[in-house]
Amino acid sequence: SQQGEEDPQALSIQEGENATMNCSYKTSINNLQWYRQNSGRGLVHLILIRSNEREKHSGRLRVTLDTSKKSSSLLITASRAADTASYFCARVHMDSNYQLIWGAGTKLIIKP
Amino acid sequence: DAGVTQSPTHLIKTRGQQVTLRCSPISGHKSVSWYQQVLGQGPQFIFQYYEKEERGRGNFPDRFSARQFPNYSSELNVNALLLGDSALYLCASSLGRTNTGELFFGEGSRLTVL
Repeated sequence: SQQGEEDPQALSIQEGENATMNCSYKTSINNLQWYRQNSGRGLVHLILIRSNEREKHSGRLRVTLDTSKKSSSLLITASRAADTASYFCARVHMDSNYQLIWGAGTKLIIKP
Repeated sequence: DAGVTQSPTHLIKTRGQQVTLRCSPISGHKSVSWYQQVLGQGPQFIFQYYEKEERGRGNFPDRFSARQFPNYSSELNVNALLLGDSALYLCASSLGRTNTGELFFGEGSRLTVL
């Protein structure tokens, strides 16, 4: 199965703290992407990291990828109330006919 | 520039009915993908179309069908609706032939089947 795990399923932190979400997968990937979804809305692309990259940054976001452990993490620094959303990792697996495989997401709540 | 637009935003159907959902991609994008998202879960891939040809199909029954028009807009049809078809249906567009790059999503069509 290409399905993986995201943890935690839910995370509640105080504004200003850092939030870390993890994503694991089972088969080799072409790339891994993180998306954000506000409640019941469409998804917004955050970062794409390729299989030959180890770390990428975008503003307050930092994504790491460890292909040996088949895992990725998304770090949001200095969290804000507006960061409250669900965060999904999506992978393009080598044998998935180039389609994205999505995890179940991490629901992040930032308390003001 | 307009983003990906989907219609209708909400709809209620009864079991056995048929539904058509519509999607207009970002101007210049030739690829459209459809996803089903059940409450509390991640999106599940249904179809991808590129240049009016089906490029990929997820693990969904034949009750689900789609097509892409010459202007790259797309329709998703679901026949013989079941209660389990209740979900948020998301359309995404992208530039490339494959879905390996960034996808741009619409706000979705929320389908409730009673």
